[in-house]
Amino acid sequence: AQSVTQLDSHVSVSEGTPVLLRCNYSSSYSPSLFWYVQHPNKGLQLLLKYTSAATLVKGINGFEAEFKKSETSFHLTKPSAHMSDAAEYFCVVTYISGGYNKLIFGAGTRLAVHP
Amino acid sequence: NAGVMQNPRHLVRRRGQEARLRCSPMKGHSHVYWYRQLPEEGLKFMVYLQKENIIDESGMPKERFSAEFPKEGPSILRIQQVVRGDSAAYFCASSPRQGGDGYTFGSGTRLTVV
Repeated sequence: AQSVTQLDSHVSVSEGTPVLLRCNYSSSYSPSLFWYVQHPNKGLQLLLKYTSAATLVKGINGFEAEFKKSETSFHLTKPSAHMSDAAEYFCVVTYISGGYNKLIFGAGTRLAVHP
Repeated sequence: NAGVMQNPRHLVRRRGQEARLRCSPMKGHSHVYWYRQLPEEGLKFMVYLQKENIIDESGMPKERFSAEFPKEGPSILRIQQVVRGDSAAYFCASSPRQGGDGYTFGSGTRLTVV
């Protein structure tokens, strides 16, 4: 069965320090993986996606994620946090059911950035 | 390109009333998905529709909930006789084709049942 676990419900960092949001997945085949960001009272914006090409994926706003099959992980990182990065982040895995792709969302990680 | 448009942004209903949530997909997108986000939780799949067809409604509650995507006009998610537990954010996403390329999400409708 497919599932996705975000290991931290809340992460707090200081502005200018690195960000690490952790995600582990479970999938019976090679999955597609995504990170979405949700700012308060806004919709979800796609940050980046992994679809079996390069294992290091670069996204928008300086974020990147590395697909590690041996660890079944897809952690999201950014070298230097900015105040505008404060938001909720969702790790998402797709799986095929009924002949088409479905998305499974993690519970989310709320990122706080302090001055 | 206006993106995925959902309205209303906020909806307040009394218990027992009906809630109608609308979603206009991106231009050229014929696949629509509805998700529900309960407080402090991730999004849960509800239903997948193509024009005039329900492809998968396995995530929809068996009673009171229905969805449609007519040939003309937006997709509608209808909740009859709302209860407090229906309070949530409802997100619509659209895609141009069925596949793993990601989806474009709307800003959601936040339903509050009082």
